[in-house]
Amino acid sequence: EAAVTQSPRSKVAVTGGKVTLSCHQTNNHDYMYWYRQDTGHGLRLIHYSYVADSTEKGDIPDGYKASRPSQENFSLILELASLSQTAVYFCASIDRADTGQLYFGEGSKLTVL
Amino acid sequence: GEQVEQRPPHLSVREGDSAVIICTYTDPNSYYFFWYKQEPGAGLQLLMKVFSSTEINEGQGFTVLLNKKDKQLSLNLTAAHPGDSAVYFCAVKGTGGYKVVFGSGTRLLVSP
Repeated sequence: EAAVTQSPRSKVAVTGGKVTLSCHQTNNHDYMYWYRQDTGHGLRLIHYSYVADSTEKGDIPDGYKASRPSQENFSLILELASLSQTAVYFCASIDRADTGQLYFGEGSKLTVL
Repeated sequence: GEQVEQRPPHLSVREGDSAVIICTYTDPNSYYFFWYKQEPGAGLQLLMKVFSSTEINEGQGFTVLLNKKDKQLSLNLTAAHPGDSAVYFCAVKGTGGYKVVFGSGTRLLVSP
C-alpha cells in the first residue's frame, strides 16, 4: 500500500512568520507534488519535483518555495506567511508520470492569523 | 492548458436515489481520467481510473463514463447511500508531462 505522510496535520502561524510543511513517501515514486485546496477551487498545483535536489514551479508558486532533499522527502516552505495562504495543503506522489494516478497524504491545514 | 469544469458544486439526494457528476475538459489530447473521493478531514482516495477511448467502468455502486467526442467524464452513483457522502473530484492528465488538472469538486450529501 502506497504511503504518503504529511506533518504537521494542522498549524496556526502568524502573518510574516515562516512555515515549513513536510511530506514523506515510502512509495519509491520519483514525482512528488504540493497542492493547495480552497473551497470552490479544487486542487491547484504549487510545486512539484521529479528528482531529488530539483524542484519545479506549478501553477501558483508565488509565495512558496519547495525543497526535495531526497527521493522520499519533499517540503513546502512559506518564508513570509500571509493571510491568503490559509488553506489545506496536500502532498502527493505519482506512480509513473505517464499514468497520472496520484497518492495523497492526509493534508495539512494551515491557518495564518 | 487543460481546463476542467465540474458540476454541480453541491448535490443533495436521498438514500437509494441516483446522483450524477459531470466534468468537461478542454484538451482533446488528454489521455488519463480519474475520479477521487475525499471524506471529511482526509486526503483524496482514488475511486476509479479510465484510460484512452470511450469506455464505461463500473465499480461498487457507481459507473464512470468517458465520452471523448464531447470531452466529458461522468460519475453516476446508481443507488446512493449515506456512506457515499463526500467531496468528489475529477482529474485529467494529458500524454506525457507532469500535470494532473482537477475539477473544482462536488460536495455530495446523501440523506437517509
